[in-house]
Amino acid sequence: EPEVTQTPSHQVTQMGQEVILRCVPISNHLYFYWYRQILGQKVEFLVSFYNNEISEKSEIFDDQFSVERPDGSNFTLKIRSTKLEDSAMYFCASKTDHTGELFFGEGSRLTVL
Amino acid sequence: AQSVSQHNHHVILSEAASLELGCNYSYGGTVNLFWYVQYPGQHLQLLLKYFSGDPLVKGIKGFEAEFIKSKFSFNLRKPSVQWSDTAEYFCAVNANNAGNMLTFGGGTRLMVKP
Repeated sequence: EPEVTQTPSHQVTQMGQEVILRCVPISNHLYFYWYRQILGQKVEFLVSFYNNEISEKSEIFDDQFSVERPDGSNFTLKIRSTKLEDSAMYFCASKTDHTGELFFGEGSRLTVL
Repeated sequence: AQSVSQHNHHVILSEAASLELGCNYSYGGTVNLFWYVQYPGQHLQLLLKYFSGDPLVKGIKGFEAEFIKSKFSFNLRKPSVQWSDTAEYFCAVNANNAGNMLTFGGGTRLMVKP
């Protein structure tokens, strides 16, 4: 069964460092997303991406965040200068079309020290 | 703005007990509703979804949910749980004017005792 894959599964970084989280969505999917879940809190929407551009973003997704689909297969989330409060599980997701099922990856746990 | 509430944070049941997990949302317009499950150490998986039509929706693994528009609710049910249903369950809503964004509830952690 096709699946969304994410790397790394866990990353520990120092505050102020740049982090790139990588995702390989399912190959025929067209809509891509990042969500995050701070420990003990809700899963929160960060950003959606379609047709090589951001289609929506939340208030969380400030100038420190960026997304890219550099090569037609990877979908990356970059945090330019990490803060302690960026520590969370980051989930990538993708779907075929506007009404399709959203498939999630297993998540990347980011710990900022 | 849309929001989703799951009132039960932790539920402990014995095998064969019936399950009902509450989900309420706040949005007055048309919504699409989802239940996701996250088994220990795994990713979020879709259990079932409601877009339109019959408000009683059947999903995988014997789960069902009923959309009651007047109560803004989409409760998840299963008549007889199994130990393998131990997981965290998330209700999620997409309002039609919210584009592709899903708003999740806080999750309910279910433990089924063998």
